[in-house]
Amino acid sequence: GAVVSQHPSWVICKSGTSVKIECRSLDFQATTMFWYRQFPKQSLMLMATSNEGSKATYEQGVEKDKFLINHASLTLSTLTVTSAHPEDSSFYICSATAFNYGYTFGSGTRLTVV
Amino acid sequence: GQQVMQIPQYQHVQEGEDFTTYCNSSTTLSNIQWYKQRPGGHPVFLIQLVKSGEVKKQKRLTFQFGEAKKNSSLHITATQTTDVGTYFCAGLMDSSYKLIFGSGTRLLVRP
Repeated sequence: GAVVSQHPSWVICKSGTSVKIECRSLDFQATTMFWYRQFPKQSLMLMATSNEGSKATYEQGVEKDKFLINHASLTLSTLTVTSAHPEDSSFYICSATAFNYGYTFGSGTRLTVV
Repeated sequence: GQQVMQIPQYQHVQEGEDFTTYCNSSTTLSNIQWYKQRPGGHPVFLIQLVKSGEVKKQKRLTFQFGEAKKNSSLHITATQTTDVGTYFCAGLMDSSYKLIFGSGTRLLVRP
């Protein structure tokens, strides 16, 4: 089946620094990738949708300058949390989809900003 | 905006009892998917329902999609401790490729 790899699985960073999270579709070319954020005991909230070679579409209330998304190829999307602050600590999960592949989720990245 | 609500928020059952979670959308869905997330883990795909009134079974799990394609349910018969986790429905809206997650139902099973 379709596999999506997300890296790193967890990261601790200092307040004010930037963190990059990678999402790769390993055995298929993803036409679209999605980035979600999940706070403890809450649901997954869609942050943005990215298509290869075009700018990401952000959901209402998500700062595009803070959460930079790059989708340079059909198998890789990256999310960079810029100038991270403690309130950005969360579980970030990517999902990739392609025709006939459904939606496949990465294993998530637990970000802790100290 | 598009909303997918889920009830109950959590349920604590004795092992062997049945469990049901309900999902309701404010808009018609082109399909609905169900996921299970264990504590500390990521959502794992369980099933997708596409047709109005569709019913699918996976062993002790029964999934239903409403006739109006705005609601769905997941029923677990004779729960086991391995069923513990949070169950999310996720709806795909008509004319959209964005998967919107429900609020989730956390299931706890007493051995």
